[in-house]
Formats: sequence, C-alpha cells, structure tokens
Amino acid sequence: DAGVTQSPTHLIKTRGQHVTLRCSPISGHKSVSWYQQVLGQGPQFIFQYYEKEERGRGNFPDRFSARQFPNYSSELNVNALLLGDSALYLCASSLKGYYGYTFGSGTRLTVV
Amino acid sequence: GENVEQHPSTLSVQEGDSAVIKCTYSDSASNYFPWYKQELGKGPQLIIDIRSNVGEKKDQRIAVTLNKTAKHFSLHITETQPEDSAVYFCAATQGEYGNKLVFGAGTILRVKS
Repeated sequence: DAGVTQSPTHLIKTRGQHVTLRCSPISGHKSVSWYQQVLGQGPQFIFQYYEKEERGRGNFPDRFSARQFPNYSSELNVNALLLGDSALYLCASSLKGYYGYTFGSGTRLTVV
Repeated sequence: GENVEQHPSTLSVQEGDSAVIKCTYSDSASNYFPWYKQELGKGPQLIIDIRSNVGEKKDQRIAVTLNKTAKHFSLHITETQPEDSAVYFCAATQGEYGNKLVFGAGTILRVKS
C-alpha cells in the first residue's frame, strides 16, 4: 500500500516568491494535516482538512493557506516567502481526523 | 493552549539496556497521546499510541504508560538495539475536534553497540 506521498521532496525558492506543496493521503483517509518542522524542533501544526473542510488552523500568518480536493489530496500554499519559512513541511493523513496520523517524508523548503 | 514538555533531550544507552522518555502535558482535555520515531531525512513514524481511557499499552519491546491525573506519559523501550537510534517525539491532542497534535521538542536516542 502506498503511504502518504508528498511532492516535491526538495525545493529552493527566493524571498518574496510563492510556493505550492502537494500531498496525497493514504487511500481511504479523508483527513489531511500540514505541519512545519524547523531543524532541531518538533513539528508545529499549520492546518487540518477533513472532508474538504478546514478543521483547525495553527498560529501561522495569512501567507499560509491550504485546500483539500474531492479526491482528498491537498495543497499547502505559502506567499511572500521569508527566510524563516525554511523548514521541512510534513503532511499527515488519518482516517477520521483525530487519531492514527501517518506522516509523509516531507518537502524540504529552503528560502534564500 | 497545550504545552508538551519532553525529557531528556538526549539519551545514550548501551545495546540491550532499557530507555525511558518522559512527557508532560498541560491541557486536561487531551485524550490521545502518540509517539513518533524520526530518522534522518524521513518523516515521523508512528510507533505506539495510547488513548486517555487506557493506562498502559505494550507492543513487543515498546510500551507507553499514561497518568492522566499527573498529566504525564512515558515511552519505554526494552532490549534496545542500534537501529532504535533516532529522534523520538511525544505528542498530545488539542483543539475543538481533538485533531491538532502538539509535539514535544524531541529526544535524541543513541544506542551504543
């Protein structure tokens, strides 16, 4: 069975640019969550979507947005990139959205 | 909001010894407590979890205990092996739907052979 798939695996962007990260959940999972992990720290919650509706937003600026598609895949968008946005962005899927989260391998974003 | 503290930040053990990692949480409404193992260059891997209506759960060499009164939970790894070396994170749920994981800062476990 395929796990949580994230793309791209790595990318480098310049300050001020926009980025879109993509996530495909485990087949049958209806919930997708996004986390940011800065080097040396635990992941921090950004968003959760369940059945295409937002079910929580973490303490992140409005430059961060996300959506979930009818096939339950998801996109995370970040506008006006800052150097501090450099991090590993993780996607996690779960069946019902409140336990049993499976993480993908993440997208390593470097902002220069 | 929820705050999760994790100790120790680093732990070195000899192969075959046991390792214990402890976490405390602040939100009494938290009801789900997973543990994740993260290896270099990979995403966190769920290794064991426990819900608030259970005090202890075991899966082969790994066990988790939960004390809801004291708001702390612990990971126990017995008979450690070199492949157990990784960063371990505890987490607790928060939020209206209990769907937001709040993570501890992580423990670097080194198993020396």
